[in-house]
Order: sequence, then structure tokens, then C-alpha cells
Amino acid sequence: DVKVTQSSRYLVKRTGEKVFLECVQDMDHENMFWYRQDPGLGLRLIYFSYDVKMKEKGDIPEGYSVSREKKERFSLILESASTNQTSMYLCASRSQGISNEQYFGPGTRLTVT
Amino acid sequence: GQQVMQIPQYQHVQEGEDFTTYCNSSTTLSNIQWYKQRPGGHPVFLIQLVKSGEVKKQKRLTFQFGEAKKNSSLHITATQTTDVGTYFCAGPSGGSYIPTFGRGTSLIVHP
Repeated sequence: DVKVTQSSRYLVKRTGEKVFLECVQDMDHENMFWYRQDPGLGLRLIYFSYDVKMKEKGDIPEGYSVSREKKERFSLILESASTNQTSMYLCASRSQGISNEQYFGPGTRLTVT
Repeated sequence: GQQVMQIPQYQHVQEGEDFTTYCNSSTTLSNIQWYKQRPGGHPVFLIQLVKSGEVKKQKRLTFQFGEAKKNSSLHITATQTTDVGTYFCAGPSGGSYIPTFGRGTSLIVHP
């Protein structure tokens, strides 16, 4: 079974803090994704990585950066957290092949106060 | 850019009634996936459709991909309380390999 884990289920940070969200997958998948999920807005793609050290901006990259130094790990960084970044953050991974099936982690609910 | 619209946003049904959610893309999709997210959970992959006009079934769930590959639907026959959750469609357009998600349809089943 594919397993995608995220470093925290719940996180509370103060405005201006630097925040790291970590995601690890154990199936040697090439592709990894970071989404944020807000009520009524569905899943919006922040960043996508198609391989180690490779990244592409998604639909809402402003205020975020990412790091992929190892294949199994994809980190999302909020350089200076703001209250409008309070959200559920979901990581996903996918094998580069015929199936586009994404495997999601349990999510991190981030609150910025 | 590509837009994927999903309707309705919410649907209340009595247990045993049928349910359908519709997904429409502004551009032609190379394939479409459907996911289910239970309350408090994360999205879980249900199925992928690739061919124009394709129909696939999983027990009480029927998935269709339109002839023009710009729309899709998920139909649940005789809903059960275990069907409660939000259903998302997602698909990449044209030469992209990055899928765009619809906003989801939340299904509420009343016993």
C-alpha cells in the first residue's frame, strides 16, 4: 500500500513565522503535489514537483516555496505566514505512468494567528 | 487557463434515492479521475476514464466520460449512508499532465 505521510495533523503558528510542512511518500513516486483546501473552493494546486529538484508553480504559488532534495520528500515552506494562509494543506504523490491516480496524505490543518 | 466546474455544490438525499454529480471542463480533457473524500478524511481515488464515451461501473457507482471529453458524471444508485462525502473530479487538459480539480459535490444522505 502506498503511504503518504505529513509531519503534522494540526499546526498553529503566528503571523510572520516561517513554517515548514513536510510530506514523505514510500512508493518511489516521481511526482508530488501540494494543495490547499478551503470550504467551497475545492483543491487548489500550490506547487508540483515532477522529479528531484524539479518544481513547477501551480495555480496559487504566491507566498509559498517548495523543496525537493530527495525523491521521497517534498516540503512546503511559508516564508512569512499570514492569516490568509490558514487552511488545510494536502500533499499527494503519483507515479509517472499511464494512471494519473494521486495518493493523498492525511492533511495538515494550519492555523495562523 | 483550464476551468473545471462541478455541480451541484451540495446535494441532500434520502437514503435509497439516486444521486448524480456533473463535471464540465472549459477545455478537452485527456482523461478524468474521480475522488471521494469522507468527512474529516483525505481524497481517495475512485476511478480514471480515458476514452471518449467511456462508461465504467463500480457496484452502485456509474462513471461516464462525454463524447467530446469535456464533461463527465458520477451516478450513485440507491444511496447509502456510507456514500456520504465530497466527490471531486479532476483532469488535465491538452498536453498538460497536471490535473485541475473541480470544487466538489458534497453528498448528504439522510437515513
